[in-house]
Amino acid sequence: GEDVEQSLFLSVREGDSSVINCTYTDSSSTYLYWYKQEPGAGLQLLTYIFSNMDMKQDQRLTVLLNKKDKHLSLRIADTQTGDSAIYFCAELSNSGYSTLTFGKGTMLLVSP
Amino acid sequence: GAGVSQTPSNKVTEKGKYVELRCDPISGHTALYWYRQSLGQGPEFLIYFQGTGAADDSGLPNDRFFAVRPEGSVSTLKIQRTERGDSAVYLCASSLQLQETQYFGPGTRLLVL
Repeated sequence: GEDVEQSLFLSVREGDSSVINCTYTDSSSTYLYWYKQEPGAGLQLLTYIFSNMDMKQDQRLTVLLNKKDKHLSLRIADTQTGDSAIYFCAELSNSGYSTLTFGKGTMLLVSP
Repeated sequence: GAGVSQTPSNKVTEKGKYVELRCDPISGHTALYWYRQSLGQGPEFLIYFQGTGAADDSGLPNDRFFAVRPEGSVSTLKIQRTERGDSAVYLCASSLQLQETQYFGPGTRLLVL
């Protein structure tokens, strides 16, 4: 079955870069997503990458995709205290379903 | 424009009671999804609709859970005979079409005492 794994916690200093990693198992994934969840809030779409791309950059965010290793990463440049949140990696399968499979989330803590 | 909205934002109920959770998708979005997020976990799929019909309800945990979308817009998730294990955040999302980016609402926090 499908499975998405993420490290549970990351702590960085303000101004540093943060890198959040994710591995997935479904080789038929079409899109891979990064969502952000602040305490008590819903999921905010941050960015996504199509499975035939290796990299996508969007302002402070860089997504890298290694399809061979089924590894996805999200790099946040110049991390700010407002970036503190839980970050979820999710895959959208092309196997006839339209549902997202999420990891358990990585809690990012940015200290001043 | 307006995003996905969900009501109520919080619901406290007693074990055995019936609850309804409502979702208003983004206008014009044909696909609507329900997920459940337990504490410390990522969201897990429950059911999704394309138009008025439930295209896939394989994620519903048992027959106490049911969802409708009678006019292809607003959806209601219904839980009968609630149990303490049903306590979670219920998230709704919508997308313009199937297989497109899903946008989430703020969720309904359900607590079953």
